[in-house]
Amino acid sequence: QSALTQPASVSGSPGQSITISCTGTSSDVGGYDYVSWYQQHPGEAPKLMIYDVTRRPSGVSNRFSGSKSGNTASLTISGLQAEDEADYYCSSYTSSSTYVFGTGTKVTVL
Amino acid sequence: QVQLQQWGAGLLKPSETLSLTCAVSGGSFSGYYWSWIRQPPGQGLEWIGKINHGGSTNYNPSLKSRVTISVDTSKNQFSLKLSSVTAADTAVYYCARIPLGYTYVGYWGQGTLVTVSS
Repeated sequence: QSALTQPASVSGSPGQSITISCTGTSSDVGGYDYVSWYQQHPGEAPKLMIYDVTRRPSGVSNRFSGSKSGNTASLTISGLQAEDEADYYCSSYTSSSTYVFGTGTKVTVL
Repeated sequence: QVQLQQWGAGLLKPSETLSLTCAVSGGSFSGYYWSWIRQPPGQGLEWIGKINHGGSTNYNPSLKSRVTISVDTSKNQFSLKLSSVTAADTAVYYCARIPLGYTYVGYWGQGTLVTVSS
C-alpha cells in the first residue's frame, strides 16, 4: 500500500485559514468515510484531530474541520494560531482492512 | 485515565528480532483493536498492524512476512515482534488503541526509539 499524498508544507499568518490535502485512491480515501487527521508536535505522540472525515473529538477546537471529495480528503484550520504549528498526518482505512498514513505536512505559522 | 505504557530493547544489531510490549491500564481491554505504528527519525508515520482481544490480526502487507503481534489478555498487554531487522527499521515505535467499529487511533503510547546498528 502506498502512502497517501500530502503537501510537504503549508504556511499561513495568524488568523488566516489554511487547507491541507490528502490524496489516495478508490481503495482507501475514496472508498470509505474513514479518514482521520493527527497533529504532532516535535518529540510528542500524535494527537487525533478529526475522524470519520468530518467528526471532531471532544476537546478539539472547532477551528479544525475535515471534508472529502472523491479520492481527496482535506483538513482546514481556520483562525490560525501559533500553537497550530506542527506536523499533520492523514490516515485512511483501506480495502485490505489495513490502515495507511499520509506523507505528512508541516504547518508553519508566519 | 487510559494509559499505554510500552517498553523493549532500544538498540539492536542487524538480523536480530525487535521485541516491544505495551501494557494497558485505566480502561477496558476488550472492545478495542490494539495497534503498532512506527516513525523513522524525521519521517512520517507507518502503520504496522493491529490485533483484537481475541487474537485476530491484520498486518501492513509490506511488513507482514516479518511481523507478529500477540496479545496477553490476562495481563492486559500486547506485543510486537519484528524479525530480521535492518537499519531501515530504526524508528520510534508507538503502541496505540483503536475503538472497535471505528478506524481512528484515540490513544497512543509514549513511543520507544529502536535503533538498529552494527
